[in-house]
Amino acid sequence: DGGITQSPKYLFRKEGQNVTLSCEQNLNHDAMYWYRQDPGQGLRLIYYSQIVNDFQKGDIAEGYSVSREKKESFPLTVTSAQKNPTAFYLCASSPRKSDAYEQYFGPGTRLTVT
Amino acid sequence: LAKTTQPISMDSYEGQEVNITCSHNNIATNDYITWYQQFPSQGPRFIIQGYKTKVTNEVASLFIPADRKSSTLSLPRVSLSDTAVYYCLPRSDTGKLIFGQGTTLQVKP
Repeated sequence: DGGITQSPKYLFRKEGQNVTLSCEQNLNHDAMYWYRQDPGQGLRLIYYSQIVNDFQKGDIAEGYSVSREKKESFPLTVTSAQKNPTAFYLCASSPRKSDAYEQYFGPGTRLTVT
Repeated sequence: LAKTTQPISMDSYEGQEVNITCSHNNIATNDYITWYQQFPSQGPRFIIQGYKTKVTNEVASLFIPADRKSSTLSLPRVSLSDTAVYYCLPRSDTGKLIFGQGTTLQVKP
């Protein structure tokens, strides 16, 4: 089965700790994305990567870091510098071609920081 | 990327056709218009995309007038399971998407 997996589904951390969210895809997609969603709001882009070993900041990158060492994997680290880390985090991937229009989303990780 | 405006919420009844209109006055020449559907606590799911005129698939139809300043997603004969948030998104060549608040569609029995 091809798709995107995110783990864990729920994550709890104490304030001041860094936490890494996993995102893996076996769709052979070049591009991968991380979004954050707060209650009642749309998704906001944190980081995206169009090719291995390269990534760009999205609209709300402060307090987050990513790596793209393998095509299949795009982990997101929520650092202690992120002021409001509690949110629903979604990972997505898509083909890189300009005529490819669909982003495939994972099931999401709900992070709670207390 | 173009800013989009769509209604915050809509109500409908089972079996009715639902039309959700989105305005995107400054859409770029190369941008496509995509629509996504999101259920609570799930990732969004792609529904349909178009550039102009009409596109239809097994789920929905998309109408885009010649000036491309708006688009209308049409859901035929909705059911309770169509209750969700629907997002209208211009998509550039980079693939980058900007999500707004979307339209929350509530389908009633």
